[in-house]
Amino acid sequence: QSALTQPASVSGSPGQSITISCAAITSDVGSFNLVSWYQQHPGKAPKLMIYEVTKRPSGVSNRFSGSKSGNRASLTISGLQADDEADYYCCSYAGSNTYLFGGGTKLTVL
Amino acid sequence: QVQLVQSGAEVEKSGASLKVSCKASGYTFTNYYIYWVRQAPGQGLEWMGWINPNNGVTSYAQKFQGRVTMTTDTSISTAYMEVRRLMSDDTAVYYCARAGVGPFEYWGQGTLVTVSS
Repeated sequence: QSALTQPASVSGSPGQSITISCAAITSDVGSFNLVSWYQQHPGKAPKLMIYEVTKRPSGVSNRFSGSKSGNRASLTISGLQADDEADYYCCSYAGSNTYLFGGGTKLTVL
Repeated sequence: QVQLVQSGAEVEKSGASLKVSCKASGYTFTNYYIYWVRQAPGQGLEWMGWINPNNGVTSYAQKFQGRVTMTTDTSISTAYMEVRRLMSDDTAVYYCARAGVGPFEYWGQGTLVTVSS
């Protein structure tokens, strides 16, 4: 069982907004301030979408946003598009130079 | 631009060893850690560890300690990840990655490793 828990799947219709949660179930992730999110299309390498909880790398659409409350981080995608259909993973620095990934969430655009 | 190009797919037998390479270009190799992440078929991402090419210091996830070794050859800007005593559970795509603004901003294309019995 991963120390970062994500829902197995979420879905939404084009134009809608969805939120994917990432809950730290142990104290391994410390203050949980170094959370990043990755998008992965089938057969492709992951792509960084959010880092340090809320920041977007250059080139990532502002439809993607990150937030955190207590031990739960969230990725929100607004204005869903067909190309957003992918797997999404949260990741947290876990101290002692180690990292943890969540189990991943499959996003289906209906 | 930053590029990480990995070695090709491999098929190995249980008990054997395997070494995957990751050639970096487009930046000063010794300035950034190289991370390794794997993904078993149909499964999620699993962080394996990192190496600092500047001094060879490594950090491994606990489950890989003693069975995985990460090294670099700075003369050719290449990182290596060796897995010993391969098991069927090691069948996965292995990725190298580099930090940018976030911990894993740049990724290699992945190397599929298939372990057969």
